[in-house]
Amino acid sequence: DIVMTQTPLSLSVNPGQPASISCKSSESLLHSDGKTYLYWYLQKPGQPPQLLLYEVSSRFSGVPDRFSGSGSGTDFTLKISRVEAEDVGVYYCLQSLQFPRTFGPGTKVDIK
Amino acid sequence: EVQLLESGGGLVQPGGSLRLSCAASGFTFGSYAMTWVRQGPGKGLEWVSTIYDTTHKTAYADSVKGRFTISRDNSKNTLYLQMNSLRAEDTAVYYCVKGGWRYDNWGRGTLVTVSS
Repeated sequence: DIVMTQTPLSLSVNPGQPASISCKSSESLLHSDGKTYLYWYLQKPGQPPQLLLYEVSSRFSGVPDRFSGSGSGTDFTLKISRVEAEDVGVYYCLQSLQFPRTFGPGTKVDIK
Repeated sequence: EVQLLESGGGLVQPGGSLRLSCAASGFTFGSYAMTWVRQGPGKGLEWVSTIYDTTHKTAYADSVKGRFTISRDNSKNTLYLQMNSLRAEDTAVYYCVKGGWRYDNWGRGTLVTVSS
């Protein structure tokens, strides 16, 4: 199974300041089709998760451009350029390269 | 607008069974793989099972293999999860998710509690 790790596991950020979350996979997530099957989700308090980024860096419909993703192979990063109050919650990375699909443990982000 | 509405959760004794349903609307259900993801109380997300659109090929987490069965009825736009031999560790909110690798849309979930 591919193991997903995230750092940090919690993050407290001042509004308007940037934030960064790292996600690492135990194997490369690059498929032979050229796509990298790494996704980012945000679970706001009391809500189901919502897709933020797919295939490392593509923003899903309606996701603000303050969210960006980068990385390749086994190392990936989610960046929020200026954190807003509505960005609080738990961020998860997911690999969909192979079964079983595996999520990272989550990074809890709150506002100072 | 995509809508996924789960039902069928509840309290069940260890060793019991439950069948979850997910009514889908707002998209061409038969053209998409569908997935169940669960979240134990205070825990992270765990992928449970995926069923593909036309082939109905399935995949399961080792933790549920042999006990859970995913199925779909494309004529009714409905996804199912038959859960047998339930254990305390199956206690979780179960989410119905659109997609087999890119989980675009999630239902609000249905709570399954396994306890005597």
